[in-house]
Amino acid sequence: DGGITQSPKYLFRKEGQNVTLSCEQNLNHDAMYWYRQDPGQGLRLIYYSQIVNDFQKGDIAEGYSVSREKKESFPLTVTSAQKNPTAFYLCASRPGGALNSPLHFGNGTRLTVT
Amino acid sequence: ILNVEQSPQSLHVQEGDSTNFTCSFPSSNFYALHWYRWETAKSPEALFVMTLNGDEKKKGRISATLNTKEGYSYLYIKGSQPEDSATYLCALGENNNDMRFGAGTRLTVKP
Repeated sequence: DGGITQSPKYLFRKEGQNVTLSCEQNLNHDAMYWYRQDPGQGLRLIYYSQIVNDFQKGDIAEGYSVSREKKESFPLTVTSAQKNPTAFYLCASRPGGALNSPLHFGNGTRLTVT
Repeated sequence: ILNVEQSPQSLHVQEGDSTNFTCSFPSSNFYALHWYRWETAKSPEALFVMTLNGDEKKKGRISATLNTKEGYSYLYIKGSQPEDSATYLCALGENNNDMRFGAGTRLTVKP
């Protein structure tokens, strides 16, 4: 079955360490996205990529980095520069970048930094 | 309205009740309006994508309407069932290729 896989489901890190969240899709979608959810807030866009080897910053990109070396993979690195990294992270994809096609989401990774 | 706003924040209804909630959004730069259902421990699933003013979409007992001129969309659930319990998210797609999400409406349907 096609879908989006995020791993791990839970991640714990010490403050000051970089950590990479995995996102893989076998839907053959061109566009991939990373969102962050905090309690009481809507999903906020961190980074997105419309095509391999290209990506753009979203609303809250500071302290994060991404790569898109393969169509199937869009890993997100939370760096030590991110001031408040503890959150729930969702990866999504869709065919092309057309806003009239729905997003397909992974199950998310909950990151806790202490 | 600068952000996408959803109301109410949470809702408790009895099984069999019909219910509705609202998504309000800035009407400039409108491109598309999405509704998603997010059940606990699962990933959000798309319900509807609407692009035209006056659009009405239906999937089983769930339907949605769109008014782009005044900047709102309603989601209706007829005869709520416990399995409808979830958080319902709306998201605005804008011309700059970004999407802005509301904080969601958390629905609990009691048997």
